[in-house]
Amino acid sequence: DTGVSQDPRHKITKRGQNVTFRCDPISEHNRLYWYRQTLGQGPEFLTYFQNEAQLEKSRLLSDRFSAERPKGSFSTLEIQRTEQGDSAMYLCASNPGGLVKTQYFGPGTRLLVL
Amino acid sequence: TQLLEQSPQFLSIQEGENLTVYCNSSSVFSSLQWYRQEPGEGPVLLVTVVTGGEVKKLKRLTFQFGDARKDSSLHITAAQPGDTGLYLCAGGGSSNTGKLIFGQGTTLQVKP
Repeated sequence: DTGVSQDPRHKITKRGQNVTFRCDPISEHNRLYWYRQTLGQGPEFLTYFQNEAQLEKSRLLSDRFSAERPKGSFSTLEIQRTEQGDSAMYLCASNPGGLVKTQYFGPGTRLLVL
Repeated sequence: TQLLEQSPQFLSIQEGENLTVYCNSSSVFSSLQWYRQEPGEGPVLLVTVVTGGEVKKLKRLTFQFGDARKDSSLHITAAQPGDTGLYLCAGGGSSNTGKLIFGQGTTLQVKP
């Protein structure tokens, strides 16, 4: 069990550019979540996958955001035409499903949009 | 909308002191998790509580889930500088997805 990994850990981009982040959940965890955290706040839910199916999206996830989990393993989160307000820490978490409530978080990707 | 309110938001204490952090809501949660987060890192799970009235201890940390499953507390005894960090409570709500609702966090600084 190597834990949840995220790549890259840091990303600096210019406004208007597209960025993509990757999350590798704990092996055999069928539930995967993306959250966004701004400075001084708790994480906010963005979207949820069960296996490859995206089953819930927050209203925070504008149409510039898209997430995929094509084979039910790793997931990607893409932000198109980035804005300065997108600057935040993007966190991925996984959970084995069933009765287990605990979510295990990755180290996050910190995005800075200039 | 389910919300979690944490208090206090900031706490600066001397090494050796005791402290309590509170996490309150008007909504019932099916479970509640406490995480500790260091700057630039993801949250690290401390404990999950699922039963109303449940008390769990982790060394100097004591966690309690309210009888009605609407609130929780984290008590640290004899705080140490290594306890410094952001403490987050997160509730598993009514959604079938298992998504977590987070409080805004409590930033704890323990001075030597």
